[in-house]
Amino acid sequence: QKEVEQDPGPLSVPEGAIVSLNCTYSNSAFQYFMWYRQYSRKGPELLMYTYSSGNKEDGRFTAQVDKSSKYISLFIRDSQPSDSATYLCAINTGKLIFGQGTTLQVKP
Amino acid sequence: DAMVIQNPRYQVTQFGKPVTLSCSQTLNHNVMYWYQQKSSQAPKLLFHYYDKDFNNEADTPDNFQSRRPNTSFCFLDIRSPGLGDAAMYLCATSRDLAGSQETQYFGPGTRLLVL
Repeated sequence: QKEVEQDPGPLSVPEGAIVSLNCTYSNSAFQYFMWYRQYSRKGPELLMYTYSSGNKEDGRFTAQVDKSSKYISLFIRDSQPSDSATYLCAINTGKLIFGQGTTLQVKP
Repeated sequence: DAMVIQNPRYQVTQFGKPVTLSCSQTLNHNVMYWYQQKSSQAPKLLFHYYDKDFNNEADTPDNFQSRRPNTSFCFLDIRSPGLGDAAMYLCATSRDLAGSQETQYFGPGTRLLVL
């Protein structure tokens, strides 16, 4: 079983839609969770960072951690074409363990 | 302001011909990482330097080497590139390695093509 699993998509939504991106992880001891956004042919950039359980909101983005089900989510409200990218979840154990990434396309 | 810089952005090399990729940082971070990312796959950590201490991942092939001559620069050397080494190579830095709260900052990557 992979330590972090993420559906690669692709996911295509119309502009303005609410997007839900998800990952599952295997080790209940993990506590530091990150979401990176990677535009085509660019390096990943940190989008959100959460510790343990709960929600964290930053503008149109909300990161959610459910430790009981070992499930992490990223929600994007009012999605824009500029949100089109690959979204990578990652667990920070001192090293980053990445999910495969979900490719999102927001159509105007 | 660029913080993690990678050169070149695109590199073409021949099968078996040694190639060096470069990374520099203006953040004065202690830790520098090299990742390999193949198409539609997660970045895979190859190794990292904590200051001058080199830490190799167990499954990183011997074909991949690294040098860090000073805090700002780190190089990835591929001694004999094979077709399977064609990928995006990402450099990242973090202030420290201790604990799990350190953020890694990535460069734009170097896309390597092996002919």
